[in-house]
Amino acid sequence: SAVISQKPSRDICQRGTSLTIQCQVDSQVTMMFWYRQQPGQSLTLIATANQGSEATYESGFVIDKFPISRPNLTFSTLTVSNMSPEDSSIYLCSVTGQGLTETQYFGPGTRLLVL
Amino acid sequence: GENVEQHPSTLSVQEGDSAVIKCTYSDSASNYFPWYKQELGKGPQLIIDIRSNVGEKKDQRIAVTLNKTAKHFSLHITETQPEDSAVYFCAALFTGTASKLTFGTGTRLQVTL
Repeated sequence: SAVISQKPSRDICQRGTSLTIQCQVDSQVTMMFWYRQQPGQSLTLIATANQGSEATYESGFVIDKFPISRPNLTFSTLTVSNMSPEDSSIYLCSVTGQGLTETQYFGPGTRLLVL
Repeated sequence: GENVEQHPSTLSVQEGDSAVIKCTYSDSASNYFPWYKQELGKGPQLIIDIRSNVGEKKDQRIAVTLNKTAKHFSLHITETQPEDSAVYFCAALFTGTASKLTFGTGTRLQVTL
């Protein structure tokens, strides 16, 4: 399985500011995803990060609020823009392996608190 | 749309007993069903998965069963230990969505001494 790291691991931010979360994988992967997990809740897919093109967003999530980059096969960033307290969540990066495997592995998450 | 229901939401068992968590899914064409364990302060960890061409899969104390006709699958943990305490999520891969998983609502398992 891939080893996934995320930075920062946690942060406390003021409303109206933006935070960029980084996801680094130790090997090239086919697919990278970003999820949100609100306190005590399940995982909700924000978007699929596409290498070299715009991310594919799920219903309810827009690029202006959650811009995503994926410059290569091992790295992606998610920005949470113009934050409000409702954005307080755990943000998780996940990946599938090389090839067409559907198995997904998750990073440790970034715990965000917006005041 | 795609839907995965998970029960129970909380489960408390005594150490050494078995624990069973059940999930149902809406799309009969789904073909991949992973289970994740999430400990406090950590990301979800894949513990076992099953594909639609298999009815049961075991890995030491963990097993998963799949009933495609009824569209449900279950996680079985035998001889539970305190370190099994965590939140467990089931998920289903829905066809036509290219590796996009839909997750259940989670089960908080507490193993007591």
